Amino acid sequence: DTAVSQTPKYLVTQMGNDKSIKCEQNLGHDTMYWYKQDSKKFLKIMFSYNNKELIINETVPNRFSPKSPDKAHLNLHINSLELGDSAVYFCASSQDFGSSYEQYFGPGTRLTVT
Amino acid sequence: AQKITQTQPGMFVQEKEAVTLDCTYDTSDQSYGLFWYKQPSSGEMIFLIYQGSYDEQNATEGRYSLNFQKARKSANLVISASQLGDSAMYFCAMRESRNQAGTALIFGKGTTLSVSS
Repeated sequence: DTAVSQTPKYLVTQMGNDKSIKCEQNLGHDTMYWYKQDSKKFLKIMFSYNNKELIINETVPNRFSPKSPDKAHLNLHINSLELGDSAVYFCASSQDFGSSYEQYFGPGTRLTVT
Repeated sequence: AQKITQTQPGMFVQEKEAVTLDCTYDTSDQSYGLFWYKQPSSGEMIFLIYQGSYDEQNATEGRYSLNFQKARKSANLVISASQLGDSAMYFCAMRESRNQAGTALIFGKGTTLSVSS
């Protein structure tokens, strides 16, 4: 059973397009996250949701809009894609936002903007 | 601001040998958590081991152990008896409080480990 799943795994699109990445976790966790891994492999938090409520919103362009329809899902919509958005986007979940529990990561979505 | 430093961009080790991957951190929090993740070439992030700041014993998980030296603010990962499958990028991370409601992981830049036969 897949714990944290993301779709699609690969996404190739042109500048200016709008795209979405979907994430689902079946672990019963309350908190979900989006991380971005750039071309140098550096990982950085973008957003965090706890029970559908946005609790962390890093300095991310407002072209990025997360949405959590329920606590098992966290989607990321990106408007007007730019070349610099090319990266691997990881969804993650954890038991709660302040815990010592590890974050479980999805397989990642490799976004390429041409 | 909290920070994680991994000073070894790459490490090389032979099969069956032990290897230590370095990690230092900077925080003013009294309560914090330290994590190590493995990222193989296939790209997924695999949790390896966790150490809480109040844990008196060093964490161990199978062939992985975390050498936690609180006064030095270091949390080195030790892999014993390296295997070819250990070749991957390894990230040290710390749980950071971003606001009153939430925490997130901050990551080091990673160390690429290459294991040869």
